[in-house]
Amino acid sequence: QKEVEQNSGPLSVPEGAIASLNCTYSDRGSQSFFWYRQYSGKSPELIMFIYSNGDKEDGRFTAQLNKASQYVSLLIRDSQPSDSATYLCAVKSSGGSNYKLTFGKGTLLTVNP
Amino acid sequence: EAEVAQSPRYKITEKSQAVAFWCDPISGHATLYWYRQILGQGPELLVQFQDESVVDDSQLPKDRFSAERLKGVDSTLKIQPAELGDSAMYLCASSLRAGDSKNIQYFGAGTRLSVL
Repeated sequence: QKEVEQNSGPLSVPEGAIASLNCTYSDRGSQSFFWYRQYSGKSPELIMFIYSNGDKEDGRFTAQLNKASQYVSLLIRDSQPSDSATYLCAVKSSGGSNYKLTFGKGTLLTVNP
Repeated sequence: EAEVAQSPRYKITEKSQAVAFWCDPISGHATLYWYRQILGQGPELLVQFQDESVVDDSQLPKDRFSAERLKGVDSTLKIQPAELGDSAMYLCASSLRAGDSKNIQYFGAGTRLSVL
């Protein structure tokens, strides 16, 4: 059973701080990694993806991947109240000729004004 | 901007009734996914289509759930009969093709099902 683990939170940070969200995965054959943001009652929205070890930056967001440690993280700099949402980590692994996306349970982030 | 279309947005039904959800993927996307998301959990894949063919339905409760994508474009997910435990958000997603690890899935707005 391929698993993706996240702290459910809630993670609470003050406005302007750095929020750090973490995710571990069990399948060493995992190929690619995604972070989705989900506001309450809404559908998941892709915010970052990363395929190679190291850091990838996009605006206030940085994704970090360490395949040896089977660990992926998302940093949000200068956190805003509008960043308050559940952040889902998703990992894509090979299942034969098909790639399957497995989601964690999500971490609830609250940014306090 | 192209979007995945889903309807209805909300559905309330009684136990043992039949319900159906519809999804129209982003134009040109060959792969279509149906997920179920229970409150407080991540989405769980129910069924995946490549064009009109099912490539993964291992988590679909086939005694009551069915899915089809007859012409390889839009898709319908049906539940008959609905049970209380089926209350959840049903999400449709699409991507260009499944056989690519860098393939990105885009989600529709979802259908919130409540079974009374």
